[in-house]
Amino acid sequence: DAGVTQSPTHLIKTRGQQVTLRCSPKSGHDTVSWYQQALGQGPQFIFQYYEEEERQRGNFPDRFSGHQFPNYSSELNVNALLLGDSALYLCASSSLYLGTEHEQFFGPGTRLTVL
Amino acid sequence: AQSVTQLGSHVSVSEGALVLLRCNYSSSVPPYLFWYVQYPNQGLQLLLKYTSAATLVKGINGFEAEFKKSETSFHLTKPSAHMSDAAEYFCAVSEADSWGKLQFGAGTQVVVTP
Repeated sequence: DAGVTQSPTHLIKTRGQQVTLRCSPKSGHDTVSWYQQALGQGPQFIFQYYEEEERQRGNFPDRFSGHQFPNYSSELNVNALLLGDSALYLCASSSLYLGTEHEQFFGPGTRLTVL
Repeated sequence: AQSVTQLGSHVSVSEGALVLLRCNYSSSVPPYLFWYVQYPNQGLQLLLKYTSAATLVKGINGFEAEFKKSETSFHLTKPSAHMSDAAEYFCAVSEADSWGKLQFGAGTQVVVTP
């Protein structure tokens, strides 16, 4: 049973560019949440997708957007990259259908470096 | 708004000694509480969770945590530290109507010395 997978593993971009990160949830999960973890800090909630819609959003600017596909996979897009966007981006999945919506499984993350 | 406080950003323990990591939360109602572990360059792994059942929760790798409503605490313990316990530990909370939105503490780095 594959867990949460994310791609790419590492990414280097320059300021002002745009980036897309991808996530496939754990088998049987229908909900995907994204987190940003800056170096030396705890993860910060960006947003959550359920039924292909953004259900909740944290305190992040509109430069951060996302999408969920019919197969429950998800993308995180960040426009106009800033140096401060350098972080580990974590994807987590859970299942409302299975009643385990509060138990989130995390992927290995994508390390984004903005130069 | 809920918040999570982890006391101590770094903890050093001797192999075989007790591991105690402290977590306090602020919430108007008892939330769902979690402890995650993160090894270098990896994602987060769930150690244990409290979901309003037993107040003493047992997790993986010999860890356990006790929910104390009166103290709004959810401290993590392990009776005997192992070298493989060296990692960063995060306490997190979510509220019943905000499933999927975890609020994390700043983390505690655990170092285990021989």
